[in-house]
Amino acid sequence: ETGVTQSPTHLIKTRGQQVTLRCSSQSGHNTVSWYQQALGQGPQFIFQYYREEENGRGNFPPRFSGLQFPNYSSELNVNALELDDSALYLCASRIQGFENIQYFGAGTRLSVL
Amino acid sequence: EDKVVQSPLSLVVHEGDTVTLNCSYEVTNFRSLLWYKQEKKAPTFLFMLTSSGIEKKSGRLSSILDKKELFSILNITATQTGDSAVYLCAVEGGGSNYKLTFGKGTLLTVNP
Repeated sequence: ETGVTQSPTHLIKTRGQQVTLRCSSQSGHNTVSWYQQALGQGPQFIFQYYREEENGRGNFPPRFSGLQFPNYSSELNVNALELDDSALYLCASRIQGFENIQYFGAGTRLSVL
Repeated sequence: EDKVVQSPLSLVVHEGDTVTLNCSYEVTNFRSLLWYKQEKKAPTFLFMLTSSGIEKKSGRLSSILDKKELFSILNITATQTGDSAVYLCAVEGGGSNYKLTFGKGTLLTVNP
């Protein structure tokens, strides 16, 4: 049990729609990262938030955006969904500057039809 | 661009066997290498390695890092069916965001 919770667990959307995924970080963790894991692949870094600001981004288009709230929970928003967005979306939290081990939630399985 | 390559991609063994999983990497400004176990969804943390030659152990699992040759191995002795999972290797490097670059993982299947 990592203390990182994500919701919903599963989601089905159609192409062109928008989706919001949520993550509640482990208590005291001030940094959250989001990853996309396609079937049979390792997770790919989307972006990271520290103290409510984005401070790093992978090779994902601007239609992937996020928010981090004062209580360190966070959201991943994806606009104009495409079929290739179907994947497991994982969030990971850590305490920046201490230990630096990222602890993952169980993910949200997104299917785009 | 940071790169992590794991081998083999899949492995089938019998209970009691010993397995070695490999991870090689190319990363700018290496900070650490991490191993995770992924059974259903959430990757669970196994080890973090930052220094060469220092073996980390946890029960039947152990891991070591070689920063000169840019690789790490994860050993599992006396395998059990509960060890069946995908084992992910990730490296942390570059910039201020501590992003992890993952390999594709090794799917380990332990048969009774």
